[in-house]
Amino acid sequence: DTAVSQTPKYLVTQMGNDKSIKCEQNLGHDTMYWYKQDSKKFLKIMFSYNNKELIINETVPNRFSPKSPDKAHLNLHINSLELGDSAVYFCASSQSRTLNYEQYFGPGTRLTVT
Amino acid sequence: DQQVKQNSPSLSVQEGRISILNCDYTNSMFDYFLWYKKYPAEGPTFLISISSIKDKNEDGRFTVFLNKSAKHLSLHIVPSQPGDSAVYFCAATTVGGGSQGNLIFGKGTKLSVKP
Repeated sequence: DTAVSQTPKYLVTQMGNDKSIKCEQNLGHDTMYWYKQDSKKFLKIMFSYNNKELIINETVPNRFSPKSPDKAHLNLHINSLELGDSAVYFCASSQSRTLNYEQYFGPGTRLTVT
Repeated sequence: DQQVKQNSPSLSVQEGRISILNCDYTNSMFDYFLWYKKYPAEGPTFLISISSIKDKNEDGRFTVFLNKSAKHLSLHIVPSQPGDSAVYFCAATTVGGGSQGNLIFGKGTKLSVKP
């Protein structure tokens, strides 16, 4: 059983397109996250979200938006894709934001914008 | 502005020997630290953590040491095994902070354990 899953694993698209990456966790966790790993290999938080609160990293362009249809899902929508958006995007979840800092990561989605 | 630094991009050790991975941080508000292990084409997996109220935490072959005055932590793996070959990320967070729960990651150290 995959704890945190992401689809698709690979995504190649052209500049200007709009795309989504899906994330699901079956751990019953309350909090989910999106991270971006850029070409320099830094893993940077983009969003953290539970059913009460969305915290956005201020450096994230507003072309990126998380959408959560329910507690087990946090999808990432990206509008007007740019070359600099090419990266690996990781979804993660944790039991809660305040009680457990161990986060469980998905396998990543490699996005390539041409 | 790197708040969490792993200054060694790679480390190579012989099987059976000790591996020591280092991490430095600059933000004195960090009070909880984690190590993650990542294999190629997979997401990071949690390895071990330590709270700032402790200076050592041990789990099997893995021990994390924290030196708060130096803002330095290290991960010791002993004995090292070929299956330990991976990229190791150090991460830090602030308990009860405004962005509590958000992890700040270092750039990673690639460990190669040779048979």
